[in-house]
Amino acid sequence: GNSVTQMEGPVTLSEEAFLTINCTYTATGYPSLFWYVQYPGEGLQLLLKATKADDKGSNKGFEATYRKETTSFHLEKGSVQVSDSAVYFCALSDSTGGSYIPTFGRGTSLIVHP
Amino acid sequence: ETGVTQSPTHLIKTRGQQVTLRCSSQSGHNTVSWYQQALGQGPQFIFQYYREEENGRGNFPPRFSGLQFPNYSSELNVNALELDDSALYLCASSPIDVASHEQYFGPGTRLTVT
Repeated sequence: GNSVTQMEGPVTLSEEAFLTINCTYTATGYPSLFWYVQYPGEGLQLLLKATKADDKGSNKGFEATYRKETTSFHLEKGSVQVSDSAVYFCALSDSTGGSYIPTFGRGTSLIVHP
Repeated sequence: ETGVTQSPTHLIKTRGQQVTLRCSSQSGHNTVSWYQQALGQGPQFIFQYYREEENGRGNFPPRFSGLQFPNYSSELNVNALELDDSALYLCASSPIDVASHEQYFGPGTRLTVT
């Protein structure tokens, strides 16, 4: 079956530091890949997505590239802010018999200090 | 454009009771998915509804059931509540006709079973 593996958190950084959160996946088909962000007490928000190999998703300074050869979708940001503190979830969605069954990673908590 | 809404926000139930959670999907979205998110974990897929029919189910027992209505709103019903059912229940809608099938999440319902 499908699975998503994220690096363990929490990731603790100082403001303006470079961020990488690793994500690898296992899928039987050709999934779409996503990063979602969850702020305290809220639901998940879509951060960025990529639908095919070599696609780069980007939003709000965050980027991730769909690497089929390494089955990875690592999240990066060049300069983090305190307001980026949240939990980040990597996810994939694959079509199986007409159903789009999404699979999420366990989440990586990011804490950014001033 | 109205986003995904869920009710109630919080709920406390006793073991053995039954609960109904409600979700209104984002305008124009015909698919609703339900997730269970335990503390510190990623969302676990419960099931998905597309045009009032169940369109995929995760590894949850039959006491978790659902409905989707003609206006694409949805209900999640859980019978014979157990302590382990305590979690944040998330609803997400999506336009399944879009190839990327990204999810738009509501804020969640926090269920506590005592």
